[in-house]
Amino acid sequence: NAGVTQTPKFRILKIGQSMTLQCTQDMNHNYMYWYRQDPGMGLKLIYYSVGAGITDKGEVPNGYNVSRSTTEDFPLRLELAAPSQTSVYFCASRAGWGRDTGELFFGEGSRLTVL
Amino acid sequence: GIQVEQSPPDLILQEGANSTLRCNFSDSVNNLQWFHQNPWGQLINLFYIPSGTKQNGRLSATTVATERYSLLYISSSQTTDSGVYFCALQGGTSYGKLTFGQGTILTVHP
Repeated sequence: NAGVTQTPKFRILKIGQSMTLQCTQDMNHNYMYWYRQDPGMGLKLIYYSVGAGITDKGEVPNGYNVSRSTTEDFPLRLELAAPSQTSVYFCASRAGWGRDTGELFFGEGSRLTVL
Repeated sequence: GIQVEQSPPDLILQEGANSTLRCNFSDSVNNLQWFHQNPWGQLINLFYIPSGTKQNGRLSATTVATERYSLLYISSSQTTDSGVYFCALQGGTSYGKLTFGQGTILTVHP
């Protein structure tokens, strides 16, 4: 059982470049999340989704976009990368919608550096 | 949105000592979890505990929702307990949105 899979694990970007962080889960979970974690800090919510076709902003959405066209996939798009977006990005999922045990499952993280 | 505050921010222990970590929150919650982030960055779910008490080996957790706090107890600490402990919660009026506290950094010395 793969759980939550994120790609790539590491990436270096130049200022102004764009990229997409991929996240997929095979647990048929309805809720999916993107968090960022700066060095020595806690996790900040970027965007979340409670089902296919539904997304909402978290605490720090500026500079990012998401889409949720399928239950399995929740990609995070960075447009015009800036050094302030250097961080570790975590994708997570949770069952939700009547099947919710509440437990959140995390991917292994994607380390992004913007130079 | 809901506010989350964890204390203490840092904790240093000798192996074998006990500790209590606290998570205070500003509103009613319908989801509360404790996580351990190990030195390699992996996030491990410890407890889902929006109310009541649970125990798993040397770890236990209690949430008193009416008083808006949760406690994580670590007994007979080991060096492998080192890392960062986070609480994450969903406010009673939120739908799906899980907010993390700033964490408690635990260091256990042999």
